Amino acid sequence: GAVVSQHPSWVICKSGTSVKIECRSLDFQATTMFWYRQFPKQSLMLMATSNEGSKATYEQGVEKDKFLINHASLTLSTLTVTSAHPEDSSFYICSGGTGADTQYFGPGTRLTVL
Amino acid sequence: QKEVEQDPGPLSVPEGAIVSLNCTYSNSAFQYFMWYRQYSRKGPELLMYTYSSGNKEDGRFTAQVDKSSKYISLFIRDSQPSDSATYLCAMSARGGGNKLTFGTGTQLKVEL
Repeated sequence: GAVVSQHPSWVICKSGTSVKIECRSLDFQATTMFWYRQFPKQSLMLMATSNEGSKATYEQGVEKDKFLINHASLTLSTLTVTSAHPEDSSFYICSGGTGADTQYFGPGTRLTVL
Repeated sequence: QKEVEQDPGPLSVPEGAIVSLNCTYSNSAFQYFMWYRQYSRKGPELLMYTYSSGNKEDGRFTAQVDKSSKYISLFIRDSQPSDSATYLCAMSARGGGNKLTFGTGTQLKVEL
């Protein structure tokens, strides 16, 4: 299957700082990338959908000014958590879609905000 | 009511047992149904992908979809300790490459 990487795999930051998470499709071109958040023992919740070169579409309740998404190319999307607070601590997972049927997930990034 | 309901477990079975995992859903627009396996602190891995009602088999895994009852199942035969993971059902109205709605996941432990 296709490979999606995320960097960093984990990050610890102080409250009020911004954190950038990269998502790369290594061996395919992802026309659509998705960003999910997963709290412990809970399901993945879709945060936003982004298409290359256009603005991301955010799910209801997700603050677009807090979670900045950039999909600059068909192989790279970034999620920036601005002014992070402890309640933003979570497991962030991206996925890349190649078309209607398939979506490949990255290994996730664990964010801890102190 | 959540769009997708899944028993969170944990579910503990002996090696070699048949495991049944289930999800129910309320949105009749869902046409595409997936099962993902997620190991601790890892991203989900696609196991099974089905469209509409029916059965699909792949090795030790069988996925069933009953759209009339809004109920899907994943069966694992001859379960192995390596099957120990969290199993997530996911659904979409427009295909697996589009917005997915996930269940909460069922934690499975297969014991020696």
